Amino acid sequence: GAGVSQSPSNKVTEKGKDVELRCDPISGHTALYWYRQSLGQGLEFLIYFQGNSAPDKSGLPSDRFSAERTGGSVSTLTIQRTQQEDSAVYLCASSLGGLERETQYFGPGTRLLVL
Amino acid sequence: TQLLEQSPQFLSIQEGENLTVYCNSSSVFSSLQWYRQEPGEGPVLLVTVVTGGEVKKLKRLTFQFGDARKDSSLHITAAQPGDTGLYLCAGGYAGGTSYGKLTFGQGTILTVHP
Repeated sequence: GAGVSQSPSNKVTEKGKDVELRCDPISGHTALYWYRQSLGQGLEFLIYFQGNSAPDKSGLPSDRFSAERTGGSVSTLTIQRTQQEDSAVYLCASSLGGLERETQYFGPGTRLLVL
Repeated sequence: TQLLEQSPQFLSIQEGENLTVYCNSSSVFSSLQWYRQEPGEGPVLLVTVVTGGEVKKLKRLTFQFGDARKDSSLHITAAQPGDTGLYLCAGGYAGGTSYGKLTFGQGTILTVHP
């Protein structure tokens, strides 16, 4: 596809369960970002990948959150032992080279609800 | 920690009115972007400004980057219902591990009534 895709689009889980969120960036984009957005609010940075490396993990809220990227393409964000406060929209974005002034292309997000 | 304060948080106006959204910080950014987001979708870039004092126009939208690169504004002339959405400013900081990272404001929810 031409744009960033994310799956699943919606996820409902029970407190304490693990979830995996997937992001397929635009082909050829070396930079990939994960953000979290609460209802109608701004975006909170979680992690940044350049290729398969994550030079900036500073936004991950706790050690329950982890992410990886393989083959310089697909990325997975894993949340272990989910809590109700993890409920949010998780957005993925990619950009060509990782410069801060580049356009970041966002996927539609995964809406996570933890019951 | 770099923070961006965006105001107002909510704006409800009639079609044809003008409006301005502000984005302020105590930190200097190397670039400032404005995004627009519609329900159920990811944000879409409107503009990037990189030079202090820079003004960019996109049809009825005018974007300005402050001289000191700490603040920015978005002005919409003669708003239309199609302008309705969430507007987000985002500051970029070049260098170090923050390379590529954007700091987002809290967003402005704009509703334009016909």
